Amino acid sequence: AQSVTQLDSQVPVFEEAPVELRCNYSSSVSVYLFWYVQYPNQGLQLLLKYLSGSTLVESINGFEAEFNKSQTSFHLRKPSVHISDTAEYFCAVSGNSGGYQKVTFGTGTKLQVIP
Amino acid sequence: EAGVAQSPRYKIIEKRQSVAFWCNPISGHATLYWYQQILGQGPKLLIQFQNNGVVDDSQLPKDRFSAERLKGVDSTLKIQPAKLEDSAVYLCASSLVGHGYTFGSGTRLTVV
Repeated sequence: AQSVTQLDSQVPVFEEAPVELRCNYSSSVSVYLFWYVQYPNQGLQLLLKYLSGSTLVESINGFEAEFNKSQTSFHLRKPSVHISDTAEYFCAVSGNSGGYQKVTFGTGTKLQVIP
Repeated sequence: EAGVAQSPRYKIIEKRQSVAFWCNPISGHATLYWYQQILGQGPKLLIQFQNNGVVDDSQLPKDRFSAERLKGVDSTLKIQPAKLEDSAVYLCASSLVGHGYTFGSGTRLTVV
């Protein structure tokens, strides 16, 4: 069985301040890790993913996440947030289960950027 | 590449009525998923297809929900009869292994 925990349901942060959204997972097999973003009234969009190789992955809009196997974490960070980053962020883990990839999502973290 | 197409975008029905959603995945994506996202919660997998075969439907309320993927391409999800608690956004996604999932815009269902 696999699970994802996003401890923070809401994170308010002032514009241009740094932010970290936490994600911890558990799984008995090797996993792929993802962060998705959902803007108000829109669908889910892939923000970044870890498949293998470098443990630090980056998105095109300044977010980065680091895979930490020993701590089973995949926290999302951005050094300086913008108003347009206001959205809900979902961490997801994908692991092999019975021969196919099973995906589990966290409950989401709402990032509110304050002007 | 074209994204995952879903229709309708919005649907309002009365309880006990039936409703169907349609999804056309990205061409070549063998795996197709239907998720239910209730307001304030993360997406919950309802059913996963590999080509036209079901690989996981453990969280699908089979007494009222059904899904099919004919010819391994597009898919329909049906609810019959609908309940108030079925109000949610129904998301379709498709994927290639290890490449993440591409989601459609979703269908927002309101049951009144």
